[in-house]
Amino acid sequence: GAGVSQTPSNKVTEKGKYVELRCDPISGHTALYWYRQSLGQGPEFLIYFQGTGAADDSGLPNDRFFAVRPEGSVSTLKIQRTERGDSAVYLCASSLQGTNTGELFFGEGSRLTVL
Amino acid sequence: QKEVEQNSGPLSVPEGAIASLNCTYSDRGSQSFFWYRQYSGKSPELIMFIYSNGDKEDGRFTAQLNKASQYVSLLIRDSQPSDSATYLCAVSISGNTPLVFGKGTRLSVIA
Repeated sequence: GAGVSQTPSNKVTEKGKYVELRCDPISGHTALYWYRQSLGQGPEFLIYFQGTGAADDSGLPNDRFFAVRPEGSVSTLKIQRTERGDSAVYLCASSLQGTNTGELFFGEGSRLTVL
Repeated sequence: QKEVEQNSGPLSVPEGAIASLNCTYSDRGSQSFFWYRQYSGKSPELIMFIYSNGDKEDGRFTAQLNKASQYVSLLIRDSQPSDSATYLCAVSISGNTPLVFGKGTRLSVIA
């Protein structure tokens, strides 16, 4: 497909478990962003990659959260020792370069539920 | 701390009316301003961006920016029921910084 692809679309896990969420950006987009969105809130920034490197990870809430993008394309968001407060929709977005035009192309999100 | 404030609504307008959505931001160094639309259960999609003070029109949508007042708005003319969605205001300090989003305003256009 031509859009941003995220898997899984839904993930239910138990408190304390480890979770990986995958994002496949639009081909050729060098910038990749992870946001999370809770009900009734706007997207909250987590981390931004330019190529393979994390250009800004200031939004990661704590050291349980980690993200990689080893080949500059697909990215994986990893959450260790999940907590109920981690329940949210995790959105991935990509753009051609940086945010100069602000046109972020979002995937449909991965809904994480921690029981 | 960078903040983007929006009235969460819901804002209800009759079909055919003008919907006015407002947003204020805290960082005076902000350079770029965006409006995203998000339908229920879907991901956000960009509808307009504005960089300079004044108005920018695109079809039924007009974005207005006043940097002195740190205020940006979106007007939707001839509102349609299909415009019913949450409208997210987003702000960027520079071209390489991530967008900061507001909570969004839920718009309901009544037929």
